[in-house]
Amino acid sequence: GAVVSQHPSRVICKSGTSVKIECRSLDFQATTMFWYRQFPKQSLMLMATSNEGSKATYEQGVEKDKFLINHASLTLSTLTVTSAHPEDSSFYICSATTGMEYGYTFGSGTRLTVV
Amino acid sequence: RKEVEQDPGPFNVPEGATVAFNCTYSNSASQSFFWYRQDCRKEPKLLMSVYSSGNEDGRFTAQLNRASQYISLLIRDSKLSDSATYLCVVNTNAGKSTFGDGTTLTVKP
Repeated sequence: GAVVSQHPSRVICKSGTSVKIECRSLDFQATTMFWYRQFPKQSLMLMATSNEGSKATYEQGVEKDKFLINHASLTLSTLTVTSAHPEDSSFYICSATTGMEYGYTFGSGTRLTVV
Repeated sequence: RKEVEQDPGPFNVPEGATVAFNCTYSNSASQSFFWYRQDCRKEPKLLMSVYSSGNEDGRFTAQLNRASQYISLLIRDSKLSDSATYLCVVNTNAGKSTFGDGTTLTVKP
């Protein structure tokens, strides 16, 4: 089945630094990938839709200059959290789909802690 | 009102019990539906798609009621390992996906 690899799985960084998270579709091409954030005991919140070769579409309230998304190829999307602050600490998950009717495959998530 | 609503629970049931979750959606243009399972501090994993005619996978049965705009998930003979949060996902034909907030199930010995 479809596999999505995400790394790092866990990162601790200092406030003010930037962190890059990678999301790769291993055995299929994903023209669209999605980035989510999940706070403890809350649901997944869609941050942005990443389209290969074009600019990402951000959800309302998500700062595009803070959360930089690059979907440079059909198998790779990256999320960079710039100038991270403690309130950015969260679980970030990517997903990809081979078609909306088939559901999503999620990456294993990245737990970001900003100290 | 949220586009997709789930009873957050928690549902606490004994092993062997049958438990059912509902998920209501407000967009009548919704086209595809899924149930995901998420374990604590892990990513969601697709449990099953929901087909118009209803579908079954072992102890799990999913159903769709378009007239009343809800989907359901029935778990028979609950196992301890079924303890998780169950998320419903609703997609429109415009490519928009909406996740429910999840229903937490705890199966106890």
